[in-house]
Amino acid sequence: GQNIDQPTEMTATEGAIVQINCTYQTSGFNGLFWYQQHAGEAPTFLSYNVLDGLEEKGRFSSFLSRSKGYSYLLLKELQMKDSASYLCAVRVWPTEGNTPLVFGKGTRLSVIA
Amino acid sequence: NAGVTQTPKFRVLKTGQSMTLLCAQDMNHEYMYWYRQDPGMGLRLIHYSVGEGTTAKGEVPDGYNVSRLKKQNFLLGLESAAPSQTSVYFCASLGGQTYEQYFGPGTRLTVT
Repeated sequence: GQNIDQPTEMTATEGAIVQINCTYQTSGFNGLFWYQQHAGEAPTFLSYNVLDGLEEKGRFSSFLSRSKGYSYLLLKELQMKDSASYLCAVRVWPTEGNTPLVFGKGTRLSVIA
Repeated sequence: NAGVTQTPKFRVLKTGQSMTLLCAQDMNHEYMYWYRQDPGMGLRLIHYSVGEGTTAKGEVPDGYNVSRLKKQNFLLGLESAAPSQTSVYFCASLGGQTYEQYFGPGTRLTVT
């Protein structure tokens, strides 16, 4: 089976740094995605990792360790508009019994002043 | 480009009624997906399509049917709606340099 775990909720202060962790147990790993979803809106793409290491994109960075089945999303210089849910998703090969993209349940981040 | 659009945005159904949700994309993407999102459950894949005329089951396909007669459209049908199908439904298509999914704005469906 496929399993993705991430914390349910986190709270951080405006201007600070926060790290959202994601662990996964899947078969046929073919990339890990992070999406941002504001309340009542659709998910939007943030980052993609397929090789081990850190990918940086402005205030957001994402890290992957395939051997550990682990990823994190790092948000720097937090702003109030970063309050949202952050979804970790793993792409697997579409073999029998698997689905192409498996999502975690999301981490709801609240940024406070 | 409009990206991914969904029709309707909101709908209320009575148990046993049927309806079709329409998803359209103008990005010439091959792959399209239907998800449902429920509180505490995350996004779960209902059905997907890897090209015109093809469909496949996802994680939670029961009670739903789909069709992909044209590349740009992916239809999700509920033949006999049940209260358990109350949810937010998202359509997505796959593309871009990293093959990320682009999501539509969602359809909020309530079955009473």
